[in-house]
Amino acid sequence: RKEVEQDPGPFNVPEGATVAFNCTYSNSASQSFFWYRQDCRKEPKLLMSVYSSGNEDGRFTAQLNRASQYISLLIRDSKLSDSATYLCVVGGSSNTGKLIFGQGTTLQVKP
Amino acid sequence: NAGVTQTPKFRILKIGQSMTLQCAQDMNHNYMYWYRQDPGMGLKLIYYSVGAGITDKGEVPNGYNVSRSTTEDFPLRLELAAPSQTSVYFCASRPTGRNSPLHFGNGTRLTVT
Repeated sequence: RKEVEQDPGPFNVPEGATVAFNCTYSNSASQSFFWYRQDCRKEPKLLMSVYSSGNEDGRFTAQLNRASQYISLLIRDSKLSDSATYLCVVGGSSNTGKLIFGQGTTLQVKP
Repeated sequence: NAGVTQTPKFRILKIGQSMTLQCAQDMNHNYMYWYRQDPGMGLKLIYYSVGAGITDKGEVPNGYNVSRSTTEDFPLRLELAAPSQTSVYFCASRPTGRNSPLHFGNGTRLTVT
């Protein structure tokens, strides 16, 4: 089993749609969780960290489910500019520093 | 503030050649990372370091070596380059702390022919 897994998609949605991505992880001791966005194989950019209680940033909501070992990203009111690859990142126990990426989920928002 | 600087941006190597990818950060971050990204794939961790003098293998370390003699620099060495090492290489750093995010360099696009 891979350490971090994502559905690669692609997800094709119309503008204004709500779309959700999940990311599962295998290490139950993981302590760090992030969502990154990547455009055209440029360097990934931080979208948001994921906190235990869940967190929201505008149209984006991230949640952590420790019992089932997954994190999720919800995008509301999709914009054309949201078209990108979304990468989840999971880190091990607090002092190891190791951060593993999922393979990414491609989102294409259509007019 | 330059952040994370990677050099070179592009490189073409012949099979069997060696090279060093340079990475430097000026943010005094303890943690540094090397990832590779093949077409259509996510980033794979090659090596990482939690501080000067300490390095650890990631998911795909074979064919690579690293060193961390200073906090600022984390070079990645390719010995005996192979076509399978054709990829985009990203260096990243972050401060200590569970929720500290990665700061990336612009990447090095390497082709081995």
